[in-house]
Amino acid sequence: ILNVEQSPQSLHVQEGDSTNFTCSFPSSNFYALHWYRWETAKSPEALFVMTLNGDEKKKGRISATLNTKEGYSYLYIKGSQPEDSATYLCAPAPRTYKYIFGTGTRLKVLA
Amino acid sequence: EAGVAQSPRYKIIEKRQSVAFWCNPISGHATLYWYQQILGQGPKLLIQFQNNGVVDDSQLPKDRFSAERLKGVDSTLKIQPAKLEDSAVYLCASSLLERESGTQYFGPGTRLTVL
Repeated sequence: ILNVEQSPQSLHVQEGDSTNFTCSFPSSNFYALHWYRWETAKSPEALFVMTLNGDEKKKGRISATLNTKEGYSYLYIKGSQPEDSATYLCAPAPRTYKYIFGTGTRLKVLA
Repeated sequence: EAGVAQSPRYKIIEKRQSVAFWCNPISGHATLYWYQQILGQGPKLLIQFQNNGVVDDSQLPKDRFSAERLKGVDSTLKIQPAKLEDSAVYLCASSLLERESGTQYFGPGTRLTVL
């Protein structure tokens, strides 16, 4: 069973600040990694899927990188806005197709 | 394109009662997942269907939980009888391809409170 760790568990930032979170997972038995954003009372929304070591993805002010050799992914938010407040979940997918979600990072952006 | 639909959105029951949740996936998505998300934890896969067949139910507490997807489209998850520790958000997701890189699309979830 994969042990997926996300840090920090929660954080508060001021509007306009940039921030980043970490997703750590065992580097063996890896196929893909997904990032999701889950706003309160809404559906989790897929942000990125990454498969290759060194992958970098970007969507607006949000970007992500992947290091499969050392087993981590970073999610960056540039110039945080209140609407970025959500829980950010990572989900590595091992070759056995079962997604293992991390516990998430709860972000609160203060206006 | 319509997203994944779930109902009800909220449910409060007493322990030992029964409850059922419904999910309608995105049209054409063959794979359907049910997850349980307990406060402070990440979503945990309960069961995965490919069309109307079960692919993985290794983490489904089969003494009290059951799920079906009779016609390979919508699905029902049932808990009978419920326990306090079943209080959680139950998420349904669907994907087009049963493959590791296949993105899963989630419904809004059902928040269950067991008193």
